[in-house]
Amino acid sequence: AQSVTQLDSQVPVFEEAPVELRCNYSSSVSVYLFWYVQYPNQGLQLLLKYLSGSTLVKGINGFEAEFNKSQTSFHLRKPSVHISDTAEYFCAVSPLNSGYSTLTFGKGTMLLVSP
Amino acid sequence: EAGVVQSPRYKIIEKKQPVAFWCNPISGHNTLYWYLQNLGQGPELLIRYENEEAVDDSQLPKDRFSAERLKGVDSTLKIQPAELGDSAVYLCASTGATGELFFGEGSRLTVL
Repeated sequence: AQSVTQLDSQVPVFEEAPVELRCNYSSSVSVYLFWYVQYPNQGLQLLLKYLSGSTLVKGINGFEAEFNKSQTSFHLRKPSVHISDTAEYFCAVSPLNSGYSTLTFGKGTMLLVSP
Repeated sequence: EAGVVQSPRYKIIEKKQPVAFWCNPISGHNTLYWYLQNLGQGPELLIRYENEEAVDDSQLPKDRFSAERLKGVDSTLKIQPAELGDSAVYLCASTGATGELFFGEGSRLTVL
């Protein structure tokens, strides 16, 4: 079984400041890793994913994440946030042998960007 | 290309009443998922379909929840009777050949 811990339920930040949203996971098998974003009253949208290869993954909207196997972490970063980045962000994992079909999500981190 | 379409977007009912949610996946996507998202939580899988076959329904509370995908395209999720604790957002998602999940906007249920 897998579990995902998002250490911060809410992260307030000023516009143009850098941000890091933390994600740690636990799994007895190797996993794929994902970050999704959910804007108010909308469904989830894939930001980026780590499947294999380079541990630094770049996604949409200027976000990137780094996979650290030894620390079982997959933290999401953006060097300069915008008001429009205000949303809920979910980290998720899926066992390698199931692709996307067995996603386990964290509880989410609400990113609040203020002017 | 149209995304995953869900209806209704919002539904308010009294407890013990039935409710149904409908999902139309992206054209050509054979795999369809229903997720439950409680307030302040991440989505949790209820059921996964491969075409018309439910291949994973282990998390679906079968005493009051049912789902169908009769022709392997649209799907309906039903709750009968609804309880207060069923208030949540019900998300539908689908995947095609790439395996990437595409989510609908969700159906928000409020049970009074």
